[in-house]
Amino acid sequence: GENVEQHPSTLSVQEGDSAVIKCTYSDSASNYFPWYKQELGKGPQLIIDIRSNVGEKKDQRIAVTLNKTAKHFSLHITETQPEDSAVYFCAASLSAGNMLTFGGGTRLMVKP
Amino acid sequence: GAVVSQHPSRVICKSGTSVKIECRSLDFQATTMFWYRQFPKQSLMLMATSNEGSKATYEQGVEKDKFLINHASLTLSTLTVTSAHPEDSSFYICSARDPGRSSYNSPLHFGNGTRLTVT
Repeated sequence: GENVEQHPSTLSVQEGDSAVIKCTYSDSASNYFPWYKQELGKGPQLIIDIRSNVGEKKDQRIAVTLNKTAKHFSLHITETQPEDSAVYFCAASLSAGNMLTFGGGTRLMVKP
Repeated sequence: GAVVSQHPSRVICKSGTSVKIECRSLDFQATTMFWYRQFPKQSLMLMATSNEGSKATYEQGVEKDKFLINHASLTLSTLTVTSAHPEDSSFYICSARDPGRSSYNSPLHFGNGTRLTVT
C-alpha cells in the first residue's frame, strides 16, 4: 500500500518568513496530493491540492509543487502569519474522492 | 460548500460501556464515508470505509466487532465503540465526498472529530 513520509515534524519560523514542508510517497499510482491544516481539537481542513498532471499550483500565500518522477511534493507558505500556526498534513490517494494516506504531520509555529 | 458534521464533539465514558459517534453529510448524499483515528500528536490512520447499504471495509488490525459501523442512509454513518477500554481513547474523525461531483473535482471533507476519553 501507499506510504507517505513528511518532514520536518516541527518547524518554527519568524512571522513574515517562508515555511516549506516536504513529503514523499511510495505508490506511483497515486495521482492526488492534498494538504490539510489541523487546528487544535478540530478536524483537518483542506488548504490546497494538486493532481499528477500539474507540477505546481498556487493560491495566494500557499503553493504546492509536485515531482512525480521523484515521488515527492512540497508545501510552501510565504509571508507567514501567527494564524498559520497549526499542524499540517500531506496526503496521497489514487484520486480526489478516494481514501487518503496521510503523512506524519508538521507542527508549524509562527513567532510574532 | 459541502459540510460534514460529527456528534458528539467530546465524550467521556466508563470502561466497558459502548459509545456511538455520528457522522452526517449536511448538504450532499455520501455513498462512502471514511473513519479515521488520531492519537495525540500523531497522524490520521484510516480505520474503515463505510459504504451505504453494505458492510464496511476495515483496515488491517482494526477489530470489526469492536468498532461497529452502520451506514444506513446516504447522509449518516455511525461508529460504535463497543466495550470501550482506556486504550480506545482517541480522536475519531469521519470524512466524506460529494458523489454528485466527479471524483476528479471532489476532495474529501472532514468532520470536526470526536474526542473519546475512556476512564
